[in-house]
Amino acid sequence: DQQVKQNSPSLSVQEGRISILNCDYTNSMFDYFLWYKKYPAEGPTFLISISSIKDKNEDGRFTVFLNKSAKHLSLHIVPSQPGDSAVYFCAAKDTGTASKLTFGTGTRLQVTL
Amino acid sequence: DTAVSQTPKYLVTQMGNDKSIKCEQNLGHDTMYWYKQDSKKFLKIMFSYNNKELIINETVPNRFSPKSPDKAHLNLHINSLELGDSAVYFCASSQVTQGGEKLFFGSGTQLSVL
Repeated sequence: DQQVKQNSPSLSVQEGRISILNCDYTNSMFDYFLWYKKYPAEGPTFLISISSIKDKNEDGRFTVFLNKSAKHLSLHIVPSQPGDSAVYFCAAKDTGTASKLTFGTGTRLQVTL
Repeated sequence: DTAVSQTPKYLVTQMGNDKSIKCEQNLGHDTMYWYKQDSKKFLKIMFSYNNKELIINETVPNRFSPKSPDKAHLNLHINSLELGDSAVYFCASSQVTQGGEKLFFGSGTQLSVL
């Protein structure tokens, strides 16, 4: 049962434009969401997070939007840079239970020149 | 001074063998994890330890045995390796901050069972 879904396996965006990565979840108990970025042959690294009490969190070029009614979150990268090319994982957690993050399958972002 | 380090990076072995993957974190975190990324790219939690005690075991076969000698180390021992064990295994540790919990991952161990 895949509780966190990233339906786009890949995305290609031109440098300078906006990248929008999407994530859907099914478990209504999830109340904390994170985005991780992964380069080849490296482990995922934390990018940005959002609690369910907010609908937006911004950190520099990265903004995460949360739509609880639609059980949907998105990561916006503006402007996109070639160094942003990586696999992005969405993750979610029910903070009321023991520590366990549930990850999506990732979206590979390619930022072209 | 890597925060979460795991060894080896690559492991190629025959079916039926026993192997271990080591993990160490120098971040002072109390909680450590093992995750498995399979061929479909799912990152799934296997185990979680808090201060050397097991708190999560996600229906992993008992051929997989984690060992935490102290809170900075969480090693993974796998007995009687099977073809389906081929995957990338990530160790991680976590920190709870005001903004929530963050996981810090090692660079992964690519296990290939032949």
